[in-house]
Amino acid sequence: DTAVSQTPKYLVTQMGNDKSIKCEQNLGHDTMYWYKQDSKKFLKIMFSYNNKELIINETVPNRFSPKSPDKAHLNLHINSLELGDSAVYFCASSPDRGKLFFGSGTQLSVL
Amino acid sequence: GENVEQHPSTLSVQEGDSAVIKCTYSDSASNYFPWYKQELGKGPQLIIDIRSNVGEKKDQRIAVTLNKTAKHFSLHITETQPEDSAVYFCAASRRVTGGGNKLTFGTGTQLKVEL
Repeated sequence: DTAVSQTPKYLVTQMGNDKSIKCEQNLGHDTMYWYKQDSKKFLKIMFSYNNKELIINETVPNRFSPKSPDKAHLNLHINSLELGDSAVYFCASSPDRGKLFFGSGTQLSVL
Repeated sequence: GENVEQHPSTLSVQEGDSAVIKCTYSDSASNYFPWYKQELGKGPQLIIDIRSNVGEKKDQRIAVTLNKTAKHFSLHITETQPEDSAVYFCAASRRVTGGGNKLTFGTGTQLKVEL
């Protein structure tokens, strides 16, 4: 009965590869987000979707492409992975006003 | 865009003491201020929040204050316990075009409660 679930939890890959992270929420929320947490624990918003529509797209490289097939899912695809992409990626959902519910994170390591 | 500053970056207290974490924000359009606790290996979890029309809110050992004029808000934890040890994030949120909200986080405070 996990509220916001993301897979995989760990992702180790080589530079140049393409990978995807999946996220699903069963809370019925309209808005979903992707956040990146770097090694200094800084949380930075990447994307936000509201009812499958992209509403926030921070200055993220084009190699990152979010996809929302429906309101309950927001996946993140990353092309041509680079060393600097290594971080923890968090999916979150929100009913309103910024009250975010986070998943448990995906630790991405690019070698 | 919004800029949220958070201090201190690390805080060590003795069990039973109080802990205070302070944040400032820059965007006057921000109207919602949540605090999150992140334990090792987990995602951030909301512990308390305050809206811009309220000056103070308390929930058991945790309280948050907001000074909208000065753009300051603070988290107060009383009677700290070892399980309070974690990274705490403040955040400021405002509505964005198209629905939803944009939440900008502070840089985090590593709180350590020592026995």
